[in-house]
Amino acid sequence: EIVLTQSPGTLSLSPGERATLSCRASQSLSTRYLAWYRQRPGQAPRLLIYGVSSRPTGIPDRFSGSGSGTDFTLIISRLEPEDFAVYYCHHYGTSPQTFGQGTRVEVK
Amino acid sequence: QVLLVQSGPEVKKPGASVKVSCKASGYSFINYAIQWVRQASGQSLERMGWINADNGDTGYSQKFQGRVTITRDTSASTVYMELSSLRSEDTAVYYCARDQTSYCDGDCSLQYWGQGTLVSVSS
Repeated sequence: EIVLTQSPGTLSLSPGERATLSCRASQSLSTRYLAWYRQRPGQAPRLLIYGVSSRPTGIPDRFSGSGSGTDFTLIISRLEPEDFAVYYCHHYGTSPQTFGQGTRVEVK
Repeated sequence: QVLLVQSGPEVKKPGASVKVSCKASGYSFINYAIQWVRQASGQSLERMGWINADNGDTGYSQKFQGRVTITRDTSASTVYMELSSLRSEDTAVYYCARDQTSYCDGDCSLQYWGQGTLVSVSS
């Protein structure tokens, strides 16, 4: 099983600032099957990034993903109020699928 | 628009079973697999399994093998997840979610999610 470790656990930032979130896999992801989700309190997760760096229709371009092998990054270029939430990375495409433990982005 | 609407909250006793439904609309039901993911309070997400809405093929995570059954009713565009032998550790919000890409058989990212169903297990 591939374990995904996210860092930091909590990120304290102000609106308008840039957020950099990390997701490290316990073994190399030979396929680019890595996704990121945002989950606001009391809501279901929302897909932000799939295939490491692709954005679904309707996701703002302030969200960008990158990485390869075992190290992956989600960048939010300018934090909007709705971006203060928990973010999860997700490995899919091979079984078992796994999720990271989450990074909380909170208002500083 | 794509919508997944789940059934309401459930309270169960240990040892019982629970069946949660997920009604899909806004797309061709049989073209996409549905996955089930659960989340205990304050915890991360945990994938349970998936179903091919067309032919009914299923796949289950090893942790839940033998305790979870996912079925579908194509005439009602609805998927069901039944979890048996409930214990307190199964208290969680259960989500259904649709594969992002058609014919992906659960090997996809999850683009559309239901609102979640809280299942509480307590004696």
